Amino acid sequence: DVKVTQSSRYLVKRTGEKVFLECVQDMDHENMFWYRQDPGLGLRLIYFSYDVKMKEKGDIPEGYSVSREKKERFSLILESASTNQTSMYLCASSLDRRDEQFFGPGTRLTVL
Amino acid sequence: DQQVKQNSPSLSVQEGRISILNCDYTNSMFDYFLWYKKYPAEGPTFLISISSIKDKNEDGRFTVFLNKSAKHLSLHIVPSQPGDSAVYFCAALLGNQFYFGTGTSLTVIP
Repeated sequence: DVKVTQSSRYLVKRTGEKVFLECVQDMDHENMFWYRQDPGLGLRLIYFSYDVKMKEKGDIPEGYSVSREKKERFSLILESASTNQTSMYLCASSLDRRDEQFFGPGTRLTVL
Repeated sequence: DQQVKQNSPSLSVQEGRISILNCDYTNSMFDYFLWYKKYPAEGPTFLISISSIKDKNEDGRFTVFLNKSAKHLSLHIVPSQPGDSAVYFCAALLGNQFYFGTGTSLTVIP
């Protein structure tokens, strides 16, 4: 079974703080994704990576950056957290970009 | 701009009856569609998919129908069970990116 884990289930940060969200998958998947889920907006793609050290912007990359130094790990970075980044963050991985994605349990981030 | 829409935020169905979840999309270039199911405090899990070259795909109690001319996708669950209570997302593939709908919360009443 594919397992995608995220470092925190709940996180509370202050405006202006730098925030790291970590994601690890154990199935040697090439592709990894970061989404945010907001009521009425569904899941929106922030960034994805199809190989180590490679990244591509999704639909809403502003205010975020990512890092993929190892195949199994994909980090989402909020350089200076703002209140409009309060959301549920979901990490996912897939073998092929056109395949079903396997999701982690999510991190509920609150920025005060 | 939302390219994939689920216009019903919620749906309640009696146990044993059919649940029909709907999804509309705007871009005729989408060529692959998936449904995911999400329980509270868990990530979405893949349920069923359909290619744009087909109009129906069935897997046990779950059937997905695709009407390309109407740009409409639906998921039928028969018979509905209380364990099906969850949020359902449709997703459509364009190139190498999936676009997700806003989700429909299904409640199956025992």
